[in-house]
Amino acid sequence: EIVMTQSPATLSVSPGETATLSCRASQSVSSNVAWYQQKPGQAPRLLFYGASTRATGIPARISGSGSGTEFTLTISSLQSEDFAVYYCQQYNNWPPYTFGQGTKLEIK
Amino acid sequence: QVQLVESGGGLVKPGGSLRLSCAASGFTFSDYYMSWVRQAPGKGLEWLSYIGTSGSTIYYADSVTGRFTISRDNARNSLYLQMNSLRAEDTAVYYCARGLHDLDCWGQGTLVTVSS
Repeated sequence: EIVMTQSPATLSVSPGETATLSCRASQSVSSNVAWYQQKPGQAPRLLFYGASTRATGIPARISGSGSGTEFTLTISSLQSEDFAVYYCQQYNNWPPYTFGQGTKLEIK
Repeated sequence: QVQLVESGGGLVKPGGSLRLSCAASGFTFSDYYMSWVRQAPGKGLEWLSYIGTSGSTIYYADSVTGRFTISRDNARNSLYLQMNSLRAEDTAVYYCARGLHDLDCWGQGTLVTVSS
């Protein structure tokens, strides 16, 4: 089973600044990574698939990158609605699909 | 609009059973793989199972193999999860989601609590 490790667990950033979230796979998963955003009391929302392809409605100031074992989610010009928990997920070696433990992006 | 609505959660004793349902609308249900994912209180996401468009392709996570059964009724635009031999560690919010690999639409979730 592939382990996805996200860092940091919590990231404190001021509105208007840039947040960089990392996700590392225990072995290569090619570009088969998705990112999700989850706000309190809500279901997760797909942000990216294929590591860097935006899902419908995701703004250009949010970007995904990486391949192999290292992946990054970058959110620039942070807005209030961006503060949430973010999860990466691999779907290269399945089943099972595996998620990272999440990064909480909080307001500094 | 695309919508998934789960139901069937509740309080159940250890060893008991529960059947979750997910009603789909706003898209051609029979064209999509469907999945179940759960989230224990204060924890991360755990993929549980998926089912192919016709119901003939099914996979489970090891944690639920032999206890949970996924199924679908394309005529009713519905997805199901039969959960047997429930344990305390199965306590979670259960989400149905559209898709196989990347899950592009999720329901609001239904809470299952396993406790005596």
